[in-house]
Amino acid sequence: SAVISQKPSRDICQRGTSLTIQCQVDSQVTMMFWYRQQPGQSLTLIATANQGSEATYESGFVIDKFPISRPNLTFSTLTVSNMSPEDSSIYLCSVEKGSKNIQYFGAGTRLSVL
Amino acid sequence: DAKTTQPPSMDCAEGRAANLPCNHSTISGNEYVYWYRQIHSQGPQYIIHGLKNNETNEMASLIITEDRKSSTLILPHATLRDTAVYYCISGYSTLTFGKGTMLLVSP
Repeated sequence: SAVISQKPSRDICQRGTSLTIQCQVDSQVTMMFWYRQQPGQSLTLIATANQGSEATYESGFVIDKFPISRPNLTFSTLTVSNMSPEDSSIYLCSVEKGSKNIQYFGAGTRLSVL
Repeated sequence: DAKTTQPPSMDCAEGRAANLPCNHSTISGNEYVYWYRQIHSQGPQYIIHGLKNNETNEMASLIITEDRKSSTLILPHATLRDTAVYYCISGYSTLTFGKGTMLLVSP
């Protein structure tokens, strides 16, 4: 398994500002993922972040709005840029470990945009 | 869109077995079946996965039909702490979460 720490755990932000969410894992991993969970909804994959390459974004998500960094094998950040109230969600990171593509999730960052 | 179909909710009495069904009729030959659960205000937790054979671990059992078009997650002795949304996912690398099944375990 993997132990994943996300910071901050929650934040309240003003519209038009940006927030950077950090994800730290206790062991080296190749693949990290960022998800969004809107209120009352299921998880939606934002992007896949592999160390040493640009993140791969899913349909409906763009780098200008959700820039991602992956500087090493244990750390990644997701920035939510120019926030609006519609960005109010839980943002979760996960890592893939083992030979069967099992993902382990952080506790999430609960974001409210006023 | 998610490639699995699950009932939106189920109830179970504490101490009884909880059997959660999942339909994944379009699963490909190399795709696994994964089960995760999400307890309120927490990140999803991996439970179990399988390809063809039935699997069991310390948390649950997974029964996959011979044609691999459906599966059942079994929690043998449900407790109140098993109340959560249970997600069944078929895939290989990326996970596509559907709406899941809200399991309510009652005293």
